[in-house]
Order: sequence, then structure tokens, then C-alpha cells
Amino acid sequence: KAGVTQTPRYLIKTRGQQVTLSCSPISGHRSVSWYQQTPGQGLQFLFEYFSETQRNKGNFPGRFSGRQFSNSRSEMNVSTLELGDSALYLCATRGGAPSEQFFGPGTRLTVL
Amino acid sequence: QKEVEQDPGPLSVPEGAIVSLNCTYSNSAFQYFMWYRQYSRKGPELLMYTYSSGNKEDGRFTAQVDKSSKYISLLIRDSKLSDSATYLCAMSDDRDDKIIFGKGTRLHILP
Repeated sequence: KAGVTQTPRYLIKTRGQQVTLSCSPISGHRSVSWYQQTPGQGLQFLFEYFSETQRNKGNFPGRFSGRQFSNSRSEMNVSTLELGDSALYLCATRGGAPSEQFFGPGTRLTVL
Repeated sequence: QKEVEQDPGPLSVPEGAIVSLNCTYSNSAFQYFMWYRQYSRKGPELLMYTYSSGNKEDGRFTAQVDKSSKYISLLIRDSKLSDSATYLCAMSDDRDDKIIFGKGTRLHILP
């Protein structure tokens, strides 16, 4: 069974630009969650999608948005990038219980 | 008070030692308790999970949950160099399925 895949793996952008990250879940997983990980703040929850609907949302500004497609693939968008958005963005997918959540390798975003 | 507290370390121990990592939490509704291991520049991988109270053993790893003290731990026996990583605890309740993570403990196994 293929794992969670994320593309691209690395991105370099400049302030003010926008970026779109993609996540393909494990086959059969309908829940996709996004996290931001930084050395100072640790793993912070952005949002979760289930069956194309946002089910949970963290405390991030509206510049961070996401969506999920009918095949469960998900995208995350960050607009008007700031230096502080530099982080590892992780996608995690789940088949059912919280104990069945698996992470992708992440997209490392650098904002210059 | 944060929902989940985890000492960030770093924790350095010699190879072969027993390592105990732990987290405390404040939400008594948590029922799922997970441990993830994250190597540098990789995504976290699920190491172990327990539901409700009790112990669970898998090879050199033992996960323990004490709900009365709101305390969970991960015991690593006969530690190996490859155990050097960041260990994140995570927990969730049955209600809204939100998973709350600790900030992670950096573990260094010394040769």
C-alpha cells in the first residue's frame, strides 16, 4: 500500500507570493489534515478535511486555506507569503480512528 | 495550562541504556494516546498507540498510560543509535477527533 505523498518536497518563494501544496492520501483514507511544523512552535494544526468538507480548523489567519477533491486528494494554499511562513508543512491522512493517522514526508517551504 | 506538555530535551543517553520519555496532559476526555518518531527532515511516523489506560509493548518499546495522573510515557529498552530522533506524543478524544501534539523530545543516543 502506497503511503502519503506530498508535492513538491521543497519550495522557495519570496514575500508576497502565494503557494499551493498538494497531498495524496493513502488509498481508502478520506480524512486529510494539514500541519505546520517549526522549531519554535512544534507541530501546529492547520485544518482537516473529510469528504471534501472542512471538519476542523486551527488558529491560523485566512491566508491559509485548503480544499479536498472527490478522490480525497487535498491542496493547501498560502497567499501573501510572510517570512514567518517558512516551515515544514505536513499532511496526514486517516482511515478511521485517530490512532490510524499517518504522515507524509512534508513540503519544506522557505520564504525569502 | 497547555493541553499537552512535553519536555523538549535534548536528552542524551549512551547506547544500550533505557530511555523514558513522557508527556502530561490536562484534558481528561483524551482516550487515544499515540507516540510518533520523527527523523531529521522527515515526516513523523506512528510508533505506537494505546486506547484508554494501560500498557502496550512492541519489541523494545513500551507505551504506558496513567489516566488518573494524566501522564503517558514511552519506554525504550536497549537503546540503539538509530533511535536518535524526535519523539512526539499525541492524543485525542472520541468527540471531535482533533489530535493534539506535544512539542516533541529530541533524543540523542551516544555511541
